[in-house]
Amino acid sequence: TQLLEQSPQFLSIQEGENLTVYCNSSSVFSSLQWYRQEPGEGPVLLVTVVTGGEVKKLKRLTFQFGDARKDSSLHITAAQPGDTGLYLCAGLTQGGSEKLVFGKGTKLTVNP
Amino acid sequence: KAGVTQTPRYLIKTRGQQVTLSCSPISGHRSVSWYQQTPGQGLQFLFEYFSETQRNKGNFPGRFSGRQFSNSRSEMNVSTLELGDSALYLCASSFLVPLGRSTDTQYFGPGTRLTVL
Repeated sequence: TQLLEQSPQFLSIQEGENLTVYCNSSSVFSSLQWYRQEPGEGPVLLVTVVTGGEVKKLKRLTFQFGDARKDSSLHITAAQPGDTGLYLCAGLTQGGSEKLVFGKGTKLTVNP
Repeated sequence: KAGVTQTPRYLIKTRGQQVTLSCSPISGHRSVSWYQQTPGQGLQFLFEYFSETQRNKGNFPGRFSGRQFSNSRSEMNVSTLELGDSALYLCASSFLVPLGRSTDTQYFGPGTRLTVL
């Protein structure tokens, strides 16, 4: 059972366009993280959101955590070829045995 | 500061064999987590070690095992390999236990690409 549904799975856009990636679940998470992974490398943490409704900005990237802490979105403004990569969301489960569960990822290609 | 290193980077094995993968965390980091990444299932948590103790385990069969040494280096072992074990195996380290604290960042290694024929 995939706890985190990420969409879209693939996204190919032109440089300068805006895009949004979604991460949804029926489960509540203690926190949610977004990573970017490039070919041949491990994921690199972009941001962690903890509070329901929280919005964090990282240059052209805006991350939002849903009020109920079940979903999140990543919005990129004026995408650049350097934004190309696999974007992964990961939620920290609640309860006695916490673990990080990942979405399957969104493969973003930004064409010049 | 050197990052997380994983050896070997690539490995080809046949069904029924066993394999051991190694992970050296960032100097000073005491927590090591292992993940399996496949196109179909994405990134899935295998287990987490802190100060030589397994703190948490994912939903993988007993063929998957791991350990952590006193210098925080970690190994994972897969016995009786199956075709479905072909994957990128990622190791991540953090200074403290990574879960439960939003400020504890996990740093991932480049992974070991395992192919089972």
